Amino acid sequence: EDKVVQSPLSLVVHEGDTVTLNCSYEVTNFRSLLWYKQEKKAPTFLFMLTSSGIEKKSGRLSSILDKKELFSILNITATQTGDSAVYLCAGARTYQLIWGAGTKLIIKP
Amino acid sequence: SQTIHQWPATLVQPVGSPLSLECTVEGTSNPNLYWYRQAAGRGLQLLFYSVGIGQISSEVPQNLSASRPQDRQFILSSKKLLLSDSGFYLCAWSVIGLTGELFFGEGSRLTVL
Repeated sequence: EDKVVQSPLSLVVHEGDTVTLNCSYEVTNFRSLLWYKQEKKAPTFLFMLTSSGIEKKSGRLSSILDKKELFSILNITATQTGDSAVYLCAGARTYQLIWGAGTKLIIKP
Repeated sequence: SQTIHQWPATLVQPVGSPLSLECTVEGTSNPNLYWYRQAAGRGLQLLFYSVGIGQISSEVPQNLSASRPQDRQFILSSKKLLLSDSGFYLCAWSVIGLTGELFFGEGSRLTVL
């Protein structure tokens, strides 16, 4: 059965810290790995990763995929209170995304 | 630009009552359409997806149904709600033929009492 597992489930850090969120996957016909940020309502897209070892960056956020070991990480440097959210990862196969349960990140001022 | 509208935003319904959640997409044609449910503290559970008008695939057997009467309209329904149907429902679309970035509606929070 396909599954995506995220760790940790929750994380509390102080503003300015760097955090690493983990996502491991077992998805048949795997196409890509996606990261989303969910604050109050709808998830918003962060990254889509299709190739192993190529880091994607957007400001203080970066992510990388390891297709051999079947995992991805999301890094957030110099965290801010606005980074507080649930971070979701999903493995994509034809027509479907297999979602992890999310990591709840709380940034304390 | 593409937009997705989902309504109602909040719904409180008694057990046994019917349900209709509606979602429309603007600015694109022939999208893939999805209905997800998110229980508190849980990931997203795919309920239905559609790759075209009248084409619905169900992922989870339950008392919910979905319909796609028009290209950019997706409706989630139930004839009789259960307590377990409570949750946060999200409609989403993606580019046809690709499995990648999803664009989500604002969600509908359903409470069944």
